[in-house]
Amino acid sequence: KAGVTQTPRYLIKTRGQQVTLSCSPISGHRSVSWYQQTPGQGLQFLFEYFSETQRNKGNFPGRFSGRQFSNSRSEMNVSTLELGDSALYLCASSASGGNEKLFFGSGTQLSVL
Amino acid sequence: DQQVKQNSPSLSVQEGRISILNCDYTNSMFDYFLWYKKYPAEGPTFLISISSIKDKNEDGRFTVFLNKSAKHLSLHIVPSQPGDSAVYFCAAAISSGSARQLTFGSGTQLTVLP
Repeated sequence: KAGVTQTPRYLIKTRGQQVTLSCSPISGHRSVSWYQQTPGQGLQFLFEYFSETQRNKGNFPGRFSGRQFSNSRSEMNVSTLELGDSALYLCASSASGGNEKLFFGSGTQLSVL
Repeated sequence: DQQVKQNSPSLSVQEGRISILNCDYTNSMFDYFLWYKKYPAEGPTFLISISSIKDKNEDGRFTVFLNKSAKHLSLHIVPSQPGDSAVYFCAAAISSGSARQLTFGSGTQLTVLP
């Protein structure tokens, strides 16, 4: 079974631009979550999607948005990029988003210059 | 306000000895706890979990202990191996409801010395 796939692996953008990150969950998994990892801050929850609906959202500004498609693939968008948005963005999938472990992708390393 | 705290950013242990990684939480609603391990350039991988109805869960070399009254959990690795060198994240969740949102600590870099 293929794992969680995130593209692109690395991304360099400038302030003010927007970016879209992609995540393909494990086949059969319907829940996709996004996390931001910055040095010293651990992983911060962004949002979780299940069956194309956002079920839960973390404390991030509205510049961070996402969506999920009917095949469970998910995209995350960040508009009007700021220097502080530089981070590793991790996607995780699970079968239903309930009481089971998450499977993480390798992440997209975003650098904002 | 960090609800899950890992106060030791780093830990070094000799190969074959015990590694003890600690984690504290403040939210008494958390009732499910997990440990993840992360190597550079890879996503976190699940290690072990524990529900609040238990105080200990064991899986091979890994044991997680939960002290609910102290709001503290720890991960024991015995014996430690050089391949265990990684960043370890503690995570907590409120398992009621349908959506899983994990709250992570900031991580502890474990280095196992040969």
